[in-house]
Amino acid sequence: AQSVAQPEDQVNVAEGNPLTVKCTYSVSGNPYLFWYVQYPNRGLQFLLKYITGDNLVKGSYGFEAEFNKSQTSFHLKKPSALVSDSALYFCAVEGRWGAGTKLIIKP
Amino acid sequence: SAVISQKPSRDICQRGTSLTIQCQVDSQVTMMFWYRQQPGQSLTLIATANQGSEATYESGFVIDKFPISRPNLTFSTLTVSNMSPEDSSIYLCSVRTGVTEAFFGQGTRLTVV
Repeated sequence: AQSVAQPEDQVNVAEGNPLTVKCTYSVSGNPYLFWYVQYPNRGLQFLLKYITGDNLVKGSYGFEAEFNKSQTSFHLKKPSALVSDSALYFCAVEGRWGAGTKLIIKP
Repeated sequence: SAVISQKPSRDICQRGTSLTIQCQVDSQVTMMFWYRQQPGQSLTLIATANQGSEATYESGFVIDKFPISRPNLTFSTLTVSNMSPEDSSIYLCSVRTGVTEAFFGQGTRLTVV
């Protein structure tokens, strides 16, 4: 069955440290991959996407994601976390949504 | 990009009543989607609404409970019918233009008492 997995319910990172939010998928073909962020009491916002080309894609707010076809992963990364990055992050693949990962950045 | 206006933003409703949620887009889009989201949890697709055809419902959702209208390329409504407390959730309208990213309304937070 086609699915999207975000294995971590919550990720805790100290401010200034690098962060990674994981996403793996099981979708046939060459899927389109997306990351979205949802701040408290707000709607979902698009962060970045992978369609084709360079495996490292850059998005909003300093985030980037690395597409790894062999591992069927699309992990979200940021070199230096900010407290304001604290939010709920969703990975989406071809209309299928991960369960979400709550990212908490501690000062 | 697309800007989506969704209303109401929140409502508290009595069980057994119905609520209609409106979604207005600032540009013409082919595909509109309705999702349900429990706070802090993932999105569950209710249905896909294309203009000029009946909505396509996902497993577990039926037209009698969640009737959808799509009268033109910029507007859609979702009605939550005969509500019960289990229908309390956040309802989200979303659009995609082809294979691009999705854009979302701010959501409607529904509480059924």
